[in-house]
Amino acid sequence: NAGVTQTPKFRVLKTGQSMTLLCAQDMNHEYMYWYRQDPGMGLRLIHYSVGEGTTAKGEVPDGYNVSRLKKQNFLLGLESAAPSQTSVYFCASSYSMGTGATETQYFGPGTRLLVL
Amino acid sequence: QQQVKQSPQSLIVQKGGISIINCAYENTAFDYFPWYQQFPGKGPALLIAIRPDVSEKKEGRFTISFNKSAKQFSLHIMDSQPGDSATYFCAASMGYSTLTFGKGTMLLVSP
Repeated sequence: NAGVTQTPKFRVLKTGQSMTLLCAQDMNHEYMYWYRQDPGMGLRLIHYSVGEGTTAKGEVPDGYNVSRLKKQNFLLGLESAAPSQTSVYFCASSYSMGTGATETQYFGPGTRLLVL
Repeated sequence: QQQVKQSPQSLIVQKGGISIINCAYENTAFDYFPWYQQFPGKGPALLIAIRPDVSEKKEGRFTISFNKSAKQFSLHIMDSQPGDSATYFCAASMGYSTLTFGKGTMLLVSP
């Protein structure tokens, strides 16, 4: 199993450009998440999904959109990139969400995004 | 408002020493407290987790100590090794909520 994969690994954008980050998981997990990681800020949740066709806002959703058309894929879109969106983006998935043993989140390797 | 406060930001420990990372939370409804370990260039991975019905959980050299009354929990790494050098995140959640992460601690274990 590949686990959680992210595409691309690295991208440079100019301010105002758009792009889509792709996350795929092969563990048949219902829940998927997008985080951004910035120095000294930890992991901050952007959006998440509790199942195919559903999305919900996290802590820092502004400037991002997401879609979960297929259970195994979770897309993160930047419609008009800004330098403040320079970050490392991580996708994660879990079987469930809550306090059971199945709530472990499995993270992808990350996408480094630089917005000039 | 940060709901999980993690300290220190960075930590240097000699090989063989004990590494201690602390987290404090405010929301008494939190009932799941995992620690994630992240190596440079990789995504975080679950290291160990605890629930508030126990005060301590040990897995190999890694131990979580939990103090419900003080609303604090800590990660202890015994006999720290250079291979433990990584960033460690504490987190908390309640019921069917998403995880709230601390800001992370960068641990360096010197040979």
